[in-house]
Amino acid sequence: GEDVEQSLFLSVREGDSSVINCTYTDSSSTYLYWYKQEPGAGLQLLTYIFSNMDMKQDQRLTVLLNKKDKHLSLRIADTQTGDSAIYFCAESIEDSSYKLIFGSGTRLLVRP
Amino acid sequence: NAGVTQTPKFQVLKTGQSMTLQCAQDMNHNSMYWYRQDPGMGLRLIYYSASEGTTDKGEVPNGYNVSRLNKREFSLRLESAAPSQTSVYFCASSVDETTLEGYTFGSGTRLTVV
Repeated sequence: GEDVEQSLFLSVREGDSSVINCTYTDSSSTYLYWYKQEPGAGLQLLTYIFSNMDMKQDQRLTVLLNKKDKHLSLRIADTQTGDSAIYFCAESIEDSSYKLIFGSGTRLLVRP
Repeated sequence: NAGVTQTPKFQVLKTGQSMTLQCAQDMNHNSMYWYRQDPGMGLRLIYYSASEGTTDKGEVPNGYNVSRLNKREFSLRLESAAPSQTSVYFCASSVDETTLEGYTFGSGTRLTVV
């Protein structure tokens, strides 16, 4: 079945790196995504990675994909207080139609 | 600004009442979606519309109906609200159902059923 799992909470100090982890079960995933949700707002796409890639870097964000272990991570370098939010991992499933399956979200708290 | 607009932002209903959540996008997207977000459960797909004129059930469709009124608008209706439908509802859209760019989300409707 389709399942995406994340840890619920992460706390880091401002200036440190944050690593948010995600595991998924469906090996037919084509793309994997990271979304950010700030309080009272909808989800905002941060970055995505093709399932045939190992790594993608975009400024302070680094996405690592271990397809063998079905493990995805998001590293935020030099974490700032503005990075405090809920981060969702999502995978696209090649079913009868494509749809996104979301994890439960990781709440990142950045301490000054 | 272009994007996905949801109304209302907040709503309180009594058990058994009905209401329609509205969603509109002005990005000329073909596909639209309704999700609900509950604590610790992430987002779960209620219904989606791959293109104008089509709708399909998602993971948790029971108690809901949808209408793809035109390309821009996709509404979600609760015919007889129940406390279990207390949640935050998000509408989203995408260029089409195969887009690699992900979805654009509205800011959500917080619904409480008492």
